[in-house]
Amino acid sequence: GENVEQHPSTLSVQEGDSAVIKCTYSDSASNYFPWYKQELGKRPQLIIDIRSNVGEKKDQRIAVTLNKTAKHFSLHITETQPEDSAVYFCAAITTYRLSSPRRVENTPLVFGKGTRLSVIA
Amino acid sequence: GAVVSQHPSRVICKSGTSVKIECRSLDFQATTMFWYRQFPKQSLMLMATSNEGSKATYEQGVEKDKFLINHASLTLSTLTVTSAHPEDSSFYICSASGSSGRAETDTQYFGPGTRLTVL
Repeated sequence: GENVEQHPSTLSVQEGDSAVIKCTYSDSASNYFPWYKQELGKRPQLIIDIRSNVGEKKDQRIAVTLNKTAKHFSLHITETQPEDSAVYFCAAITTYRLSSPRRVENTPLVFGKGTRLSVIA
Repeated sequence: GAVVSQHPSRVICKSGTSVKIECRSLDFQATTMFWYRQFPKQSLMLMATSNEGSKATYEQGVEKDKFLINHASLTLSTLTVTSAHPEDSSFYICSASGSSGRAETDTQYFGPGTRLTVL
């Protein structure tokens, strides 16, 4: 089955600096890679995702890159702010598109162990 | 985006009792629901996958007789922790995926979680 490794486990940056979190995956069949932000006691919130047919995706201060050959993907947060402080999880999943229109089956998300990001004001 | 609710949000019970947690997709039909458990300062660990109308598939090490999962409709799945013990105290989160309504395919939508404390 899929195995996702995430580094670092903790990360402290000064406000305004960039933060980078890296993940590797083992299953070459994985084709969808979401990133979640989780604040204490709350549900994970999807912040950005990337599919295997794309190498990079950006949404304002957040970007994700994917290297399928090396089986790794990274989250980049620029101009960090104190409200970015949270635990971030990467995940990998394989989605299967079946012959029926709009019929999709998803394997379970396999999460990395998380990165606790602290942005120091 | 699509919304998943979970009830209750917090429960405290005595050792030996059973607790039922509900997970509902409010604006889409969830063909698949997943149940995760999260211990403090740890990642989400998958417990089981449930498809509507069929038996749940449990991950290795998860006792199916202790964690009963029912996915009787396309909008509701339940997790029952039977004969709960203090070591079952954890944050339980469901997620749901589907391709109808407001749900985007490929995306899993998380419920707000249930914090279970067993005394």
